[in-house]
Amino acid sequence: GAGVSQSPSNKVTEKGKDVELRCDPISGHTALYWYRQSLGQGLEFLIYFQGNSAPDKSGLPSDRFSAERTGGSVSTLTIQRTQQEDSAVYLCASSTGLAGSETQYFGPGTRLLVL
Amino acid sequence: AQSVTQLGSHVSVSEGALVLLRCNYSSSVPPYLFWYVQYPNQGLQLLLKYTSAATLVKGINGFEAEFKKSETSFHLTKPSAHMSDAAEYFCAGASGSARQLTFGSGTQLTVLP
Repeated sequence: GAGVSQSPSNKVTEKGKDVELRCDPISGHTALYWYRQSLGQGLEFLIYFQGNSAPDKSGLPSDRFSAERTGGSVSTLTIQRTQQEDSAVYLCASSTGLAGSETQYFGPGTRLLVL
Repeated sequence: AQSVTQLGSHVSVSEGALVLLRCNYSSSVPPYLFWYVQYPNQGLQLLLKYTSAATLVKGINGFEAEFKKSETSFHLTKPSAHMSDAAEYFCAGASGSARQLTFGSGTQLTVLP
């Protein structure tokens, strides 16, 4: 079956612009995660959705970052007023949402470059 | 809080040699532990995971890992390296009700001909 998909695969933007990153999870997966992978910080958790609600937003680095999920499926991560330090690969993952031991399946990521 | 440490950011082995990638965890509760592999410009792919059912876990591509509570370790091994094993490997943990994964800093594996 189809895996986790993310779009765009690459995004170049100018400092101060807003960007939206999209994630399509595996069909039927109720849990969805966003992570950020950068050279200086490694892989960091950003936010977790169970259905359409986000019980854990603890990883969002600032109020410029927000995310939503609609219909228990697609999720959008929005970064407002982008800064150069936002340049990173943004990874989305999904899982069945049944237990903490379950496998998270990752998408290919969106590579964001802020000039 | 969960933390994961990978010793050695770069490991080089010869083709056919043993692969050993080290991972230690810190947690006050028994964790769930995972090894993921990342090939260039790709997402993460699960190699194997520990969920307390068995301490020796076998994964894909001939990899295995052993959970050792006394050493708080979950090292990844493969008896004989292939050129196709060259990639970055991440150890990750989750514990309790926290669903998000905490990742180690990654180990870049180079396989020499």
